[in-house]
Amino acid sequence: QVQLVQSGSEVKTPGASVKVSCKASGYTFTDYSLHWVRQAPGQRLEWMGWINAGNGNTKYSENFRVRVTITRDAPASTVYMELSSLRSEDTAVYYCARGPLIVLVSDAPGNWFDPWGQGTLVTVSS
Amino acid sequence: IQLTQSPSFLSASVGDRVTITCRASQGISSYLAWYQQKPGKAPKLVIYAASTLQGGVPSRFSGSGSGTEFTLTISSLRPEDFATYYCQQLYSYPVTFGPGTTVDIK
Repeated sequence: QVQLVQSGSEVKTPGASVKVSCKASGYTFTDYSLHWVRQAPGQRLEWMGWINAGNGNTKYSENFRVRVTITRDAPASTVYMELSSLRSEDTAVYYCARGPLIVLVSDAPGNWFDPWGQGTLVTVSS
Repeated sequence: IQLTQSPSFLSASVGDRVTITCRASQGISSYLAWYQQKPGKAPKLVIYAASTLQGGVPSRFSGSGSGTEFTLTISSLRPEDFATYYCQQLYSYPVTFGPGTTVDIK
């Protein structure tokens, strides 16, 4: 079945960087986009950015554009999200989520995110 | 595009009919999805394109609306439906989510 499995929890100090992985299985990796969404404690979901797993094109939220980098390793069916210059407000659960078929939506958001990875807790604390 | 949801919190009983509203700050056609999230779990897609039920989701869930106002209805609440529900707009970047509606047991 279609599945996204993320890397484990991380504890980082302020100013450091974190790199979270998301390994896809059960479908043709390069046919779909992958999005990153985070959820700080008690807060709403916040979209961070997106990668076209086929050609590697990316788009980032202006809230994170300077600090976030999303990459992919197609042979490994894995997408990575790196967030730099961490601060305490970045403490959150980070999710990857699959978008629709690229051929149907090109670079548009599409109609849904499904499935989602299990989430990775990133704690930023001195 | 900003999304608001009402109510923020809803206390209901098994068997109740529940309706949650999501409003967008500008027209988004039918590019709206609904997700269910339980504590400690990832969101799960329930409805997409405003009214299309995701495969495997019970038919007691339904969605409606277009433009700026949307609703998610659960026709008869089951114990497993107690969760937080988020709407999401996919009309344009950045994709945004509503603040969530928590459905709790009365």
